[in-house]
Amino acid sequence: RKEVEQDPGPFNVPEGATVAFNCTYSNSASQSFFWYRQDCRKEPKLLMSVYSSGNEDGRFTAQLNRASQYISLLIRDSKLSDSATYLCVVNTFNNAGNMLTFGGGTRLMVKP
Amino acid sequence: ETGVTQTPRHLVMGMTNKKSLKCEQHLGHNAMYWYKQSAKKPLELMFVYSLEERVENNSVPSRFSPECPNSSHLFLHLHTLQPEDSALYLCASSQGTGTSYEQYFGPGTRLTVT
Repeated sequence: RKEVEQDPGPFNVPEGATVAFNCTYSNSASQSFFWYRQDCRKEPKLLMSVYSSGNEDGRFTAQLNRASQYISLLIRDSKLSDSATYLCVVNTFNNAGNMLTFGGGTRLMVKP
Repeated sequence: ETGVTQTPRHLVMGMTNKKSLKCEQHLGHNAMYWYKQSAKKPLELMFVYSLEERVENNSVPSRFSPECPNSSHLFLHLHTLQPEDSALYLCASSQGTGTSYEQYFGPGTRLTVT
C-alpha cells in the first residue's frame, strides 16, 4: 500500500464548479498534513496546512479525519488558474526529524 | 519567489560525466533537503541536512553524493549516473525539522542522463 494515496485524475471541470479531492495515508503516527500545488514543470508550493478542526482559506477548504486517515480539499467556484496538480503531503516526525511524504498528486483542469 | 535557488536549471550529462547541482537558500533556514521527482511518480526524499549535518539518507545509491558546507548551501554531486536517474531534482529548505515547519522548494534542476 502506498504511504500517501491520491486519485491521479485528471479532473476536468468547468469554471465555477466545485471540486473535491481526497487523500488517504497509511502511517497513523503522521502528525501534520498539507496540500501543495504544483504547476506544470514548476516546483511544489504550499497551498494550505490541514488542521484537525478543518480550515478554510478563501475558496479552499481542507478537512482531516484522523480516525479514517483521510484528508480532503474542496475548491469552490473554480478558476482557470486553479488548473494544476494538487499534492497531498503527510509529515511524520521520527529520529531523523521532519519527513514529508508526498502523494502522487491529483491533476485538475478547469475549462472555460 | 520562494527564496530558494537552484543551478543549473537544466542539465544533460553522459553516464561517465561528473557534475554537481547547487542549491542556495536565502531564508535563514536551518534544514535543507534533496528530492527526486520522476515522471508519473511521487516526490521521493533523498537527503536531509539539519544544521549542516546529514540526518537522513533515504537508501540513495552512492552515485549521488550530497554536501552541505553551510546552512545556506547544498550540493548534489553526480557521477556515473544511469538513464533512469533522469528526473527533476528539487531542493527545499525549512526553518527547522519539526513537523510544523513548511518546506520551501527551489525551481528544480531537470536532469537528463544520456
